[in-house]
Parts: sequence; structure tokens; C-alpha cells
Amino acid sequence: GAVVSQHPSRVICKSGTSVKIECRSLDFQATTMFWYRQFPKQSLMLMATSNEGSKATYEQGVEKDKFLINHASLTLSTLTVTSAHPEDSSFYICSSASGGPYQETQYFGPGTRLLVL
Amino acid sequence: DAKTTQPPSMDCAEGRAANLPCNHSTISGNEYVYWYRQIHSQGPQYIIHGLKNNETNEMASLIITEDRKSSTLILPHATLRDTAVYYCIVNAGNQFYFGTGTSLTVIP
Repeated sequence: GAVVSQHPSRVICKSGTSVKIECRSLDFQATTMFWYRQFPKQSLMLMATSNEGSKATYEQGVEKDKFLINHASLTLSTLTVTSAHPEDSSFYICSSASGGPYQETQYFGPGTRLLVL
Repeated sequence: DAKTTQPPSMDCAEGRAANLPCNHSTISGNEYVYWYRQIHSQGPQYIIHGLKNNETNEMASLIITEDRKSSTLILPHATLRDTAVYYCIVNAGNQFYFGTGTSLTVIP
């Protein structure tokens, strides 16, 4: 399957600061990438769909001004958590999709664990 | 919202087949069934997907009922490294909505 990387794998920051997480599709060009969040002992929750060259589409309840997504190239999407607060501490996972309509297999990155103090 | 229901947990003896069920009674005709698994603190790993026919690859087999309202993922010879949370997902468009999954524990 496709290889997706994330950087950093782990980050600790102070409350009020911003944190940028990178997601790279290493072996294919992804016009669409996805960002998920996972709290302890819970399932993955889709946050937004990142479209190359256009604005991201956010799921209901996800603040677009707080979670800034940029997908400037076919291999890189970034998620910036702005003015982070302790409640933003979570496991953030990205994925990239390959395949045609209705058959888009998603390949996931290893995740980024964010801890906001 | 997730369109699937799975048992919250299952145990399986090492070396035996693990059969993980999933109900997706509201699945649409053009929606695929995907299976992923997540080992603790890692990103989900793709296992297999299918539309109508049964599928097999090097990791698992996928059995989809004729009415497509349920499916079963089969790990033919479970090992300790197969201990993970297994997610069944119905692909609505290109977005995945994860349910709560099944926590499979393989017992020595």
C-alpha cells in the first residue's frame, strides 16, 4: 500500500501557541488527503477533507479558524492547530486516498501525538 | 456518522481463525466495505475491501453476504501481532466515518 508520513510524531507545546503538523504522501500524488483526531479510548473522528489547491472541507463542529489546513502540493498537507489549549491534546492522524470514485482506499500516516500544557 | 455496527470485543486463540462480524444494513449499492485495523498508538492499517464478491489477500479474507447487509473479516491463523482494534467502514463517497470497532485480543 501507499506510504504516508507525518511530522512530528510527538509534540508538546504551551497553551496559546500554534503547532503545525505535516502529512506527506511519499509514493503517490494525492489530490485528496484527510485529517482525523482520536481521543484516548475513542475511535477516529474525521475533521476535514484537504483538497489540493482549494479550501479544505470541514466536518460539522470542527472550527476552521482553529484548525488551519493547507494542501499546497500533491504530496503535502499541513494542519495547524492555532492557539492550542489543553483540550486540543489528542492523536492527530492524516490519510491520503488513491483509487476512483467510491473505491478510494485511504492510507494512513503513523499519527502525531499533541500534548498542550 | 458510521453506518456499521461491530461487537466491542472478541478473543481468539493463537493459531486459530479469527472471524470478525460487521453489520451494515443500510449500505447503498455503490458503497464498498473496507476493513482497517489499528494497533495501539499507530495509524490505521488497510486490510481489505470489497463490493459484492468475497475477497482474499495475503492478510485476510472478506466474506460479504448476498444481500450485502453484513460481512465477516477472517484472519485465517491469528497471531499475537494481530491483537488490535478492527474497524469496518462503509465508504460513503470518499470520506470514512469510523465506528467503535472490535478490539480483538489474540490469546497465547
